[in-house]
Amino acid sequence: SQELEQSPQSLIVQEGKNLTINCTSSKTLYGLYWYKQKYGEGLIFLMMLQKGGEEKSHEKITAKLDEKKQQSSLHITASQPSHAGIYLCGADRGGGKLTFGQGTILTVHP
Amino acid sequence: DTGVSQDPRHKITKRGQNVTFRCDPISEHNRLYWYRQTLGQGPEFLTYFQNEAQLEKSRLLSDRFSAERPKGSFSTLEIQRTEQGDSAMYLCASSLVSGSGYTFGSGTRLTVV
Repeated sequence: SQELEQSPQSLIVQEGKNLTINCTSSKTLYGLYWYKQKYGEGLIFLMMLQKGGEEKSHEKITAKLDEKKQQSSLHITASQPSHAGIYLCGADRGGGKLTFGQGTILTVHP
Repeated sequence: DTGVSQDPRHKITKRGQNVTFRCDPISEHNRLYWYRQTLGQGPEFLTYFQNEAQLEKSRLLSDRFSAERPKGSFSTLEIQRTEQGDSAMYLCASSLVSGSGYTFGSGTRLTVV
């Protein structure tokens, strides 16, 4: 089974709507990364969270890590077509590697 | 700095052929990682280097796969006797030893026909 579960697997929204993507871990998260990926391209770093209860924002994207450090959420406010892509959460398991969720495909209709 | 560079971006090869990919990390980054991503999945860790030393290899890295980072700068990933199951996106990333963040390249998409 996946160590990191993302939900939903895919999401279709109308431009201007808010949305949330969740990432749940079976183990305590000591470093949680959010990346965005356009189809067929590399990963673009969005945010990193380390402390329980931590919240970070960049432009219209906000990421949170819960107090127990087992769940993270990514929230997009007033979505735009430019937000479309695949969103990946990755957990730093130590030893220099990340374990990723399966990704959430976001489609934003204009 | 231009970030992490990977070459080529796309590679189509016949089954049984050998292929080699190159990754140029961010110059001051000591650590370099290789991941593989298949369609509909998140990237999976393959191996990583700290300077020129290969410190960990995943069980996904079969005997046909070999990675090097001879001078602690760029790295190569070679796949011998390619199989159709090797078709995937191969991603390279780099970071400082402190693990303060991982920067990914644009990837090399391999198609084995």
